[in-house]
Amino acid sequence: EVQLVESGGGLIQPGGSLRLSCAASGFTFSDYWMHWVRQVPGKGLVWVSRINVDERSTAYADSVKGRFTISRDNRKNTLYLQMNRLRAEDTAVYYCARGGDFVDWYLDLWGRGTLVTVSS
Amino acid sequence: DIVMTQSPDSLAVSLGERAAIKCRSSQNVLYRSNNKNYLSWYQQKPGQPPRLLIYWASTRESGVPDRFSGSGSGTDFTLTISSLQAEDVAIYYCQQYYSVPWTFGQGTKVEIK
Repeated sequence: EVQLVESGGGLIQPGGSLRLSCAASGFTFSDYWMHWVRQVPGKGLVWVSRINVDERSTAYADSVKGRFTISRDNRKNTLYLQMNRLRAEDTAVYYCARGGDFVDWYLDLWGRGTLVTVSS
Repeated sequence: DIVMTQSPDSLAVSLGERAAIKCRSSQNVLYRSNNKNYLSWYQQKPGQPPRLLIYWASTRESGVPDRFSGSGSGTDFTLTISSLQAEDVAIYYCQQYYSVPWTFGQGTKVEIK
């Protein structure tokens, strides 16, 4: 089955760190650009970050630049999001999503998300 | 950043009637070298992740019912549900993938009248 499964969310204090993972299966993970998108419960979708197939190209939303790092392990078919210096406004459901194969475009496959709550 | 603005924020439509959602981008998302609009539409039902409906502004994703259609070019786009079904109750988002940061519209909630 083609799917993405996120993990690693939870309750974390402001200023803390968390690493999210996204396990891919059912497709050739190494062929696809990958993204993180977040959503505050009850609010809209916000793009967070993306990475190309060989990790040479990454991009971030201004709101997370310098605090979050996206990476991937193509041998393990896993996408990561290292989140440091977390703030209350980072509280959201974090989705990983699949972009294009070799060229980045629309997001055609989404995981179910993992909830990150930043609170003391 | 390209700002995506959807209208209306919500709409209530009778079963079997047509629903139309508009999306306007603050900049052109038509890439002239390949004549493609870098615009997609997603459907999100409560408690579920988004689902891709339309890409390149008008191409329906595999498995999406043909009552869903996308149109428009440049900066103005429309998602149309030709005959609303109960299972179409959801929030719909447009998104541009023309330039980073990718941006979404604020969402349009579709309900049954």
